[in-house]
Amino acid sequence: GESVGLHLPTLSVQEGDNSIINCAYSNSASDYFIWYKQESGKGPQFIIDIRSNMDKRQGQRVTVLLNKTVKHLSLQIAATQPGDSAVYFCAESQGTWDTGRRALTFGSGTRLQVQP
Amino acid sequence: NAGVMQNPRHLVRRRGQEARLRCSPMKGHSHVYWYRQLPEEGLKFMVYLQKENIIDESGMPKERFSAEFPKEGPSILRIQQVVRGDSAAYFCASSPVTVLSGNTIYFGEGSWLTVV
Repeated sequence: GESVGLHLPTLSVQEGDNSIINCAYSNSASDYFIWYKQESGKGPQFIIDIRSNMDKRQGQRVTVLLNKTVKHLSLQIAATQPGDSAVYFCAESQGTWDTGRRALTFGSGTRLQVQP
Repeated sequence: NAGVMQNPRHLVRRRGQEARLRCSPMKGHSHVYWYRQLPEEGLKFMVYLQKENIIDESGMPKERFSAEFPKEGPSILRIQQVVRGDSAAYFCASSPVTVLSGNTIYFGEGSWLTVV
């Protein structure tokens, strides 16, 4: 069935470097994407989102890029810090917002390890 | 304003027993989602409820699992006759009636079920 998946299970970077985490999705009907950060023993924490009518969106130290042609999503973290070490998930959904009828489909996650 | 509250945080059950997981959504949120996460995997959607109504239970196993969100009190995910394969982290999320964006979907800290 349709699914969201990630290319790299583990990414190791040096503190201060930029990190890029990738995600491929297969459901062409998906029109909304979210990146979550999950630390050990905790629930997912919202990082940034993007709708399908956009190619790029920036937050504080994070940027999400969406390429609908190849169904690819990436999360860029600038100046990666030790506190960024966690598992990162992309999630996607489709449908309309007005009735709140959305459930998220999560990818399998990428573990980011930041070396001091 | 308290976040999404889940309890218990950790639950140990013997095979064949029942497990009840509770979720109190954020104040003002009327929609609740339940997800299951196996170790080193992404979150899998189980069920989406609003008060006194199941909106989408397409991710729920057909047997032994049930969920409710009564008019008063928390949402409850009930697993009857637990088996070892039910061991996982169960996350609850809540959102307002109108989900404007991903940052209005809040996750709890999860309930870790261990079946021995």
